[in-house]
Amino acid sequence: NAGVTQTPKFQVLKTGQSMTLQCAQDMNHEYMSWYRQDPGMGLRLIHYSVGAGITDQGEVPNGYNVSRSTTEDFPLRLLSAAPSQTSVYFCASSSSRISGYTFGSGTRLTVV
Amino acid sequence: GQQVMQIPQYQHVQEGEDFTTYCNSSTTLSNIQWYKQRPGGHPVFLIQLVKSGEVKKQKRLTFQFGEAKKNSSLHITATQTTDVGTYFCAGSNQFYFGTGTSLTVIP
Repeated sequence: NAGVTQTPKFQVLKTGQSMTLQCAQDMNHEYMSWYRQDPGMGLRLIHYSVGAGITDQGEVPNGYNVSRSTTEDFPLRLLSAAPSQTSVYFCASSSSRISGYTFGSGTRLTVV
Repeated sequence: GQQVMQIPQYQHVQEGEDFTTYCNSSTTLSNIQWYKQRPGGHPVFLIQLVKSGEVKKQKRLTFQFGEAKKNSSLHITATQTTDVGTYFCAGSNQFYFGTGTSLTVIP
């Protein structure tokens, strides 16, 4: 089925560890973005991309890196995990700035 | 940062009652989108409004875009337990979402 695939669905990290959250879409969408969702905080934008090779920071980029080498993939890297990064992470894609976003099912990350 | 503010943040209603959530922007929006997120799920795109004063309906859901294109509302008639979830709006810069309204429906 076409859509946005996120892996893993669950992850527990120790403080200081690094990891990559994977996001892949098969809809040939140019726009992709990463969000974190914490209770009562809504969806906060971490990083976004408007096409392969183009990325930019959102409102909460510190501690995260992204790259966009292909249209399909938009991985999110945690450089040195901290308990404050415990959250649910969503990846989303869209064919344009004015089209609806398709979200992945999310990654629930716990940092201990 | 955030372009739109949503109110209320939380709403509890008895099943069968109506529900409305509002998005407000300080700047004119070119369009607005609405999403629904069920508990434990991911946001799902519901609809997009583009024209001033536009009204769209999806069964019991009515979406409206203000005349000045600075506000929008989502109204649910006769809520059902299946309406439970958080409703988000997203303004012109679709990367940013409103804070959401969490709807609880009491059977």
